[in-house]
Order: sequence, then C-alpha cells, then structure tokens
Amino acid sequence: DAKTTQPNSMESNEEEPVHLPCNHSTISGTDYIHWYRQLPSQGPEYVIHGLTSNVNNRMASLAIAEDRKSSTLILHRATLRDAAVYYCIKGSGGSNYKLTFGKGTLLTVNP
Amino acid sequence: NAGVTQTPKFQVLKTGQSMTLQCAQDMNHEYMSWYRQDPGMGLRLIHYSVGAGITDQGEVPNGYNVSRSTTEDFPLRLLSAAPSQTSVYFCASSYSIIGTASKPLHFGNGTRLTVT
Repeated sequence: DAKTTQPNSMESNEEEPVHLPCNHSTISGTDYIHWYRQLPSQGPEYVIHGLTSNVNNRMASLAIAEDRKSSTLILHRATLRDAAVYYCIKGSGGSNYKLTFGKGTLLTVNP
Repeated sequence: NAGVTQTPKFQVLKTGQSMTLQCAQDMNHEYMSWYRQDPGMGLRLIHYSVGAGITDQGEVPNGYNVSRSTTEDFPLRLLSAAPSQTSVYFCASSYSIIGTASKPLHFGNGTRLTVT
C-alpha cells in the first residue's frame, strides 16, 4: 500500500502564507485526504480533510488537485504557534481502518 | 469534556515486566486505536477497535494485546516488555474514519514508556 510523500521540512516567516505539499499518486476514488499536525510533546491534532473539492475551515485550507494525486495544505498567515510536524494521510473510503501516518513535514516558522 | 485520557504519562519498566497502558474517551466514539511513535518517525498503528468486543491488528501488533469490553476504554497490554518497545504511545478515537462518515481522530497526550 503506497503511502503519501511529503518534504521532510519547510520554513516560513511569520504572517506569511505557507503551502505544504503532499503527493498521493495511488489514491483511489473513495480515499479521503486528511491532514493532522503535531506540536512538540503533544498528540497529533486534526487540521482538515477532504475528498475532491477544496475545503476551508478556521485553521487552514485544503487544495486538492483535479486528478487527486496531490494536495496542498494552506496556512493563510503562519504564526509561531503553527510550528509543528504536519502529516498528510490517505484515508480509506472502503473498509480499511488502518490510517497510516508517514514522517510528515517539519514546519519551522521564523519570527 | 475530557476527550481522550491516557494514563500514566510516564512509565519505566524492566525487561520482562508487564503493564497496561490505559486509554479512555468520553465522546461515545466507536473507533479507537493505539499508535507508537519512535524518535524521528511517524506514528505506526498497533491495534484498533471499531466497537466494543471488536479488535484488529495494525502495522506493528507483535508484543501487544488489546481488548474492548466497553465503548469508553481501550487498554493496551504489554505482556513481557522489551527494550524495543521503548516509545511514546498515543491513543486515538473517532466516531468513524470510513468514507463519507469520516470524522477526525482525537488523540490523547501520550504515554512515554522506557524499557531498560
């Protein structure tokens, strides 16, 4: 089962937008794309998820490519509190309950 | 609303000892799961449960047992601890993670286990 691919690390400046990419080339038509983040010494925290359309919530936006082989998590104005490891996860639309986390992207936010 | 509660926060065991990591949720979630996280790694699924009385294996189930006698609780048992089980353990729960009913996973704050 192919997992998702993310850059190991990214850097941003405070109050600038951040675009975190994710490739999921073997995604099926019913697999959801989930994003979680993990702050230091804490459990992961849900950020956003979607299937086909772009999604927005109070934390972030999720842009999904038309072929669904990639997605981008957008933080519109990064703050120091957004510094975390961000995980892109391919969820299952079928009966597979094994939600797999990769190594994620470590986001550093500079003041 | 406490969410997902894990106890203890820290634990040191000697090789061969047994212990149970506790996980409780008060959100009436059907789905519960256990992950382990090693330094520099992502989270790896150990076991999961889709409801009381139902459990199944994840990616790395060896050395761990689980049971789900109630909706609220999902304990993880180490029968004979080994140094390779030194890790941070996270419990998570959700109403559902499947298809159109997919809902977010809620994680506890973890149990840091050291086996010497």
